[in-house]
Amino acid sequence: EPEVTQTPSHQVTQMGQEVILRCVPISNHLYFYWYRQILGQKVEFLVSFYNNEISEKSEIFDDQFSVERPDGSNFTLKIRSTKLEDSAMYFCASRPDGPYGYTFGSGTRLTVV
Amino acid sequence: DQQVKQNSPSLSVQEGRISILNCDYTNSMFDYFLWYKKYPAEGPTFLISISSIKDKNEDGRFTVFLNKSAKHLSLHIVPSQPGDSAVYFCAARNNAGNMLTFGGGTRLMVKP
Repeated sequence: EPEVTQTPSHQVTQMGQEVILRCVPISNHLYFYWYRQILGQKVEFLVSFYNNEISEKSEIFDDQFSVERPDGSNFTLKIRSTKLEDSAMYFCASRPDGPYGYTFGSGTRLTVV
Repeated sequence: DQQVKQNSPSLSVQEGRISILNCDYTNSMFDYFLWYKKYPAEGPTFLISISSIKDKNEDGRFTVFLNKSAKHLSLHIVPSQPGDSAVYFCAARNNAGNMLTFGGGTRLMVKP
């Protein structure tokens, strides 16, 4: 069964450093997303991406965040200057056109120290 | 932001019995609802969904019911199995966009 692949599974970084989280969505999917879950809290929407541009973003997705689909297969989330409160599980998701379920990756646990 | 709420943080059920997980929402613009199952250290796994034009959708042991007037949906699992033990999230999509809003989750424990 096709799956969304995320790397790395765990990333530890120092506060103020840049991190890039990587995702390979399912190949025929058209919509791409990043969500995050801070420990003990809800899964929160960050950003959606369609047709090579951001289609929606939440208040969390400020100027420190950016997304890119550099080569038609990878989908990346960059955090320019990490803060302690960025520590969370980050989930990538994708879906095809139409009323279908969103497929999530297994997540990257980001720990900012 | 409490647009999607799962008021029961946990539920314990005996194997073979019915599990009923509940979810309430406040935003009448939601047009599509999904249930996800999540194990620790894994991403959410899609289970079942329902469009706002329906009131029931069934897939094997899983049935989702939607009561639009009450802004309430529920997931029924019959019969429950120990492998169903996980955290279950309901999520809703706004018809003006395509992002999902998640509830806080309910931890289901199915005892053998």
